[in-house]
Amino acid sequence: DVKVTQSSRYLVKRTGEKVFLECVQDMDHENMFWYRQDPGLGLRLIYFSYDVKMKEKGDIPEGYSVSREKKERFSLILESASTNQTSMYLCASSRREYTEAFFGQGTRLTVV
Amino acid sequence: GIQVEQSPPDLILQEGANSTLRCNFSDSVNNLQWFHQNPWGQLINLFYIPSGTKQNGRLSATTVATERYSLLYISSSQTTDSGVYFCAVDGGSQGNLIFGKGTKLSVKP
Repeated sequence: DVKVTQSSRYLVKRTGEKVFLECVQDMDHENMFWYRQDPGLGLRLIYFSYDVKMKEKGDIPEGYSVSREKKERFSLILESASTNQTSMYLCASSRREYTEAFFGQGTRLTVV
Repeated sequence: GIQVEQSPPDLILQEGANSTLRCNFSDSVNNLQWFHQNPWGQLINLFYIPSGTKQNGRLSATTVATERYSLLYISSSQTTDSGVYFCAVDGGSQGNLIFGKGTKLSVKP
């Protein structure tokens, strides 16, 4: 079975904290993605990576950075968390373009 | 960029009823997927279907790429089918997905 695992299902952080969201896939996929999901706005792409140490901005990269040091792991970093980053964060991976993508279980982040 | 529209936005069914969910997209695509988001928020893969027809138990899907739409059929619905169904298509050469707003399905016992 394919598996994408996010490090936390629920997370509560304080404003100004540096926050790390981790995602690991065990399928040897080249592509990895971070999305956020908000009511009324749907799912929006934050960043993606198509290879180790490579990254591309998505639609809403402001306030976020990413790291991909190993093929199986893709980290989303909130440099200084703000309340408007309270959201559901979803990680995904796929082999290459135009192939099936698989999602992790999601992380509900609350910034207080 | 490509636009993805799903209809209806909300659907309420009695258990045992059948339903059809629709996904329209504004440009040609190389990837189309249907997902079910469970109550805990995880996106569960239903179909990878850039063209043609597939079936999996009570669910089936058809994509007519030339006419830019896809349909998801749910037969003999069950309460466990409740949730939000998303259609997503490829948004570029790197494989990121563009999602529709979803159809929220509620199946009543």
